[in-house]
Amino acid sequence: DAGITQSPRHKVTETGTPVTLRCHQTENHRYMYWYRQDPGHGLRLIHYSYGVKDTDKGEVSDGYSVSRSKTEDFLLTLESATSSQTSVYFCATSRTELLSEQYFGPGTRLTVT
Amino acid sequence: EDQVTQSPEALRLQEGESSSLNCSYTVSGLRGLFWYRQDPGKGPEFLFTLYSAGEEKEKERLKATLTKKESFLHITAPKPEDSATYLCAVQGGMNRDDKIIFGKGTRLHILP
Repeated sequence: DAGITQSPRHKVTETGTPVTLRCHQTENHRYMYWYRQDPGHGLRLIHYSYGVKDTDKGEVSDGYSVSRSKTEDFLLTLESATSSQTSVYFCATSRTELLSEQYFGPGTRLTVT
Repeated sequence: EDQVTQSPEALRLQEGESSSLNCSYTVSGLRGLFWYRQDPGKGPEFLFTLYSAGEEKEKERLKATLTKKESFLHITAPKPEDSATYLCAVQGGMNRDDKIIFGKGTRLHILP
């Protein structure tokens, strides 16, 4: 296992409030990713990072921002949470380029009321 | 538009009853196809990567194969512990920022 933890594991928040999810890895992997998983959809990439302070948008990045100040930490922020952002969020890492296998964290279940 | 379609959506098998899961894809220049297993309440777990048509990989009771249009995950003599959702993902294109696209998965349930 790549030693990926996510916090919090569960969160309920109100519409309009800011929310930050944290992903921490102990494997020194260069690449880190944030996905969301919803019923009826496959995993969808929100943002990814290819190094400290190097990030890029994924398929569904609107309403989300990320930061990576250290190799081991990747933060996902919902600036003003909406009900459409209710989802399960997964962090993943990979050792090398995008073609390499990804290791996933346990997920964060976020409910926006 | 790049697409990944998995079928069936759900599959129930008796223990020992072999079957196959399908992953059909349309992508401009396949660079890699991935299979993951996901247990309820957990993150996906990597199983295989396939890079070119004709390639096969095996792990215990699972064998993944790849053609130019689809991949199959063959399950031989499954056991109840093989019950999970199996995800297929593809990466195409020639650019570093060509992302991996996941299918919706096949929920597999093995009855004892």
